[in-house]
Amino acid sequence: DSGVTQTPKHLITATGQRVTLRCSPRSGDLSVYWYQQSLDQGLQFLIQYYNGEERAKGNILERFSAQQFPDLHSELNLSSLELGDSALYFCASSGTAGNTIYFGEGSWLTVV
Amino acid sequence: AQTVTQSQPEMSVQEAETVTLSCTYDTSENNYYLFWYKQPPSRQMILVIRQEAYKQQNATENRFSVNFQKAAKSFSLKISDSQLGDTAMYFCAPHFNTDKLIFGTGTRLQVFP
Repeated sequence: DSGVTQTPKHLITATGQRVTLRCSPRSGDLSVYWYQQSLDQGLQFLIQYYNGEERAKGNILERFSAQQFPDLHSELNLSSLELGDSALYFCASSGTAGNTIYFGEGSWLTVV
Repeated sequence: AQTVTQSQPEMSVQEAETVTLSCTYDTSENNYYLFWYKQPPSRQMILVIRQEAYKQQNATENRFSVNFQKAAKSFSLKISDSQLGDTAMYFCAPHFNTDKLIFGTGTRLQVFP
């Protein structure tokens, strides 16, 4: 158990809908990262937050947004969903720079 | 641009043998961190080993060790006494000062009995 909690574990939704993925980082970790992994693909970095502030941004679509709350949990919002958004979405967390980054078990999103 | 390359899409090894997975990267930074992650069929991302770039000594974790060559920007993973449970996708992931992990495309390792 990495200590990073993601909910829901599985989600099936229709095209055009909006979903929210939630992540609770390891206790004490200030950084939260979101990654997307499509079938048989590598991990694509989406966005990183550090103590509530956006720190780095990857190839995140405009239809996607994220935030980190004062209690350090984070949410990734995916809207106007398309079939191609079906993927495994990982949240990861770390402490200060250079600390090991631990991953949650991921949220499987299927868009039908 | 900071990049990472895993040149071996697939590898196989017999149980109890040793296998080495290669990884090269490109950066102009001097201080950074390097990780290997394992992703078994369950798709969970599991940390295998970590290396600090400022340390000359290669990291070791039980059967897993790295060969870190900073000047060559190479970070290979050696798995000794391979076990069936080592069957997984392995990702090399440098962590530069841009504050995000950059993942390679992965090497799919199959361990045969």
